[in-house]
Amino acid sequence: EDQVTQSPEALRLQEGESSSLNCSYTVSGLRGLFWYRQDPGKGPEFLFTLYSAGEEKEKERLKATLTKKESFLHITAPKPEDSATYLCAVVGGGSNYKLTFGKGTLLTVNP
Amino acid sequence: DADVTQTPRNRITKTGKRIMLECSQTKGHDRMYWYRQDPGLGLRLIYYSFDVKDINKGEISDGYSVSRQAQAKFSLSLESAIPNQTALYFCATSDYDGETQYFGPGTRLLVL
Repeated sequence: EDQVTQSPEALRLQEGESSSLNCSYTVSGLRGLFWYRQDPGKGPEFLFTLYSAGEEKEKERLKATLTKKESFLHITAPKPEDSATYLCAVVGGGSNYKLTFGKGTLLTVNP
Repeated sequence: DADVTQTPRNRITKTGKRIMLECSQTKGHDRMYWYRQDPGLGLRLIYYSFDVKDINKGEISDGYSVSRQAQAKFSLSLESAIPNQTALYFCATSDYDGETQYFGPGTRLLVL
C-alpha cells in the first residue's frame, strides 16, 4: 500500500525566511510525485510533477526536489501570499493511476 | 470560466436524505474522480471513472454511488446521508495518462 507522510504539520515563517517542507513516501514503483497548493475552502491547485530521483522543478519562489525516499518543497524568501496548505501525493506502479495524498503542511508566512 | 465546476458549492441536508453532487469539466479529459477531505485525514478517493463505461470504487465508497452521464459529467450521490458524511467533496479530472489531476472548487456538505 502506498503511503505518504508530510512534515511538519504546520510551519510558521517570517516574510523572507526560507525553509523546506518534507514529503516521505513508500510506494511500489513510483510513477510520479505531485505537489499541490490548497487555499482554505478551495480545491488543490497543481504545482509540480516529479518522476525520478534527482529531478528538480521550479516555479517562482518554489523548488521541488526528489530522492528515492522523499521530496522537498523549498520555499525561498516567502511572501504572505505563499501561505497555504501544501499537499504531496504519489502514484505507484500498482495503483492504476490513483493518487495517494499526504495530510499536508499548513504554511503561514507573516509579514 | 473554470475548467472543472462543481454544484452546489454548499449544501445542508438532514440525516436520511438522498442528495447528489455534480461535476462538469471542459478540459476534455477522460478520467474523473471524486474525493472527500476531512480535517486530519487528508484527501481520500471515493470513486473514479476512466471513461463513460468504466466506474471503479475507491478506498471509501460505502454509502456513495456515482453516475458518469457523459465524458464531461460525473455525479456523486449519497443514498441516505448520515452526519459522518459531513466533509468537503472534490471532483478531479486527468488526461488519458492518468497522471496530473486537476481539481474543482469543492462542495461543502453538512449533514444534520
